[in-house]
Amino acid sequence: GNSVTQMEGPVTLSEEAFLTINCTYTATGYPSLFWYVQYPGEGLQLLLKATKADDKGSNKGFEATYRKETTSFHLEKGSVQVSDSAVYFCALTPDTGGFKTIFGAGTRLFVKA
Amino acid sequence: DTGVSQNPRHKITKRGQNVTFRCDPISEHNRLYWYRQTLGQGPEFLTYFQNEAQLEKSRLLSDRFSAERPKGSFSTLEIQRTEQGDSAMYLCASSLIPPLRDRGRPGTEAFFGQGTRLTVV
Repeated sequence: GNSVTQMEGPVTLSEEAFLTINCTYTATGYPSLFWYVQYPGEGLQLLLKATKADDKGSNKGFEATYRKETTSFHLEKGSVQVSDSAVYFCALTPDTGGFKTIFGAGTRLFVKA
Repeated sequence: DTGVSQNPRHKITKRGQNVTFRCDPISEHNRLYWYRQTLGQGPEFLTYFQNEAQLEKSRLLSDRFSAERPKGSFSTLEIQRTEQGDSAMYLCASSLIPPLRDRGRPGTEAFFGQGTRLTVV
C-alpha cells in the first residue's frame, strides 16, 4: 500500500542552522509529493509540492526534490528562523484511486534564538 | 476569506452526547475529505466525497460516525454517543480533481481548514 515515513522528532536547532527532515515513501505509480506545516493550534498549510520525478518544490526558503530512484522527498532549509518552529508533515497523493492524501507522522521542529 | 472553513473551532462535550461539525470547502472544489488527527500523529483519512457522493470510508469511521454532503457544497460530520477516545482534531480538506480525460499531472493538493478540536469529558 501507500505510506510515508519521516524522521522522528523533535528536531532542535539554533537560529540560522541548516535543516534537513528526511522523508521516504512507498507508492505504486507516480504519486504527487507534498510538505505541509502545522503551527500550534492550527490546521495544515501546504508548504511545497512536486508532481513528478526530479521536480524541486520550493517556498519560503524551504526546498525538496522528488527522487524516484530513492523514493525520497527530503525537506531542507539553509538557515532556519525561530518562526519556522512548527510540525512538518510529509505527504503523498497516489495517482490512482481516491487521490486522498496520506501523511507521515510529522516532525516537530524547535528553533532557538 | 476563500479558504476551507470549519465550525466550530472547539467543542467540549460530555460522553454520550452527539456532536456535529460543519465544513465549507473552497467553492469550486469537487472533492471534500475528512481526517482525524490525534496528538503527536499525522492526520488519518476518514472519508471523502466527490460532489455529493460519499465514495470511500475508512475502517476508522465506526457506525457512530456519519458524514453528509447533501448538495455537493458544505459537509457535516456527526458523531453519536461520543466516547473519550473520540477526542481529537477533526480536519476537513478540499481539492479539485479534473475529469479523467483532462487528467495529465494534477497537483491534487488538498487545502485544509483550521480544524475542529473535540474534547469529550
